[in-house]
Amino acid sequence: AQRVTQPEKLLSVFKGAPVELKCNYSYSGSPELFWYVQYSRQRLQLLLRHISRESIKGFTADLNKGETSFHLKKPFAQEEDSAMYYCALIQAAGNKLTFGGGTRVLVKP
Amino acid sequence: EPEVTQTPSHQVTQMGQEVILRCVPISNHLYFYWYRQILGQKVEFLVSFYNNEISEKSEIFDDQFSVERPDGSNFTLKIRSTKLEDSAMYFCASSGTGDGFYEQYFGPGTRLTVT
Repeated sequence: AQRVTQPEKLLSVFKGAPVELKCNYSYSGSPELFWYVQYSRQRLQLLLRHISRESIKGFTADLNKGETSFHLKKPFAQEEDSAMYYCALIQAAGNKLTFGGGTRVLVKP
Repeated sequence: EPEVTQTPSHQVTQMGQEVILRCVPISNHLYFYWYRQILGQKVEFLVSFYNNEISEKSEIFDDQFSVERPDGSNFTLKIRSTKLEDSAMYFCASSGTGDGFYEQYFGPGTRLTVT
């Protein structure tokens, strides 16, 4: 069965510092990988999808199949990046999202 | 921008009562989902629904749960006889077709409290 692990429950960084949120997955096939973000009192929003290879709000994520990782990075964190971030996976030909436990990011001024 | 909506935002019910949580997916989406998140735990998949049928369900989605699309816009989750452990945030989501199939858009959630 697929599994998504986010080892850090809380990341606290200063504004302007780099931030990296770790995500590891276990799945034998080729998954679709996502990062969702939940700002305070708001809904879960799709932030990134691995195949899009875009930078959204300055965030990027690279799929490393060898290490089965999909870490999220931003070179210069902003206060508005403070939120809960969830890594998630959909198995090939499926549509069920499997979520990691989430990482709370706190960006201090 | 179209959004998924959910009602009510908070529902309090007594153990053993039936509850219906309502969702209005994005209008041109064809795939619908329910997830839940118990406080302090992961977001968990409950069920997916397409073409008026359940396409996949988790072990959590037992006989106490059912889903329905009663009309062209609503998608409901019914819990027949609620238990204390059903207390959670319930999220509805929907996705489109083609490349949008994998991109699920979430509603704001319904907080269910079972007393």
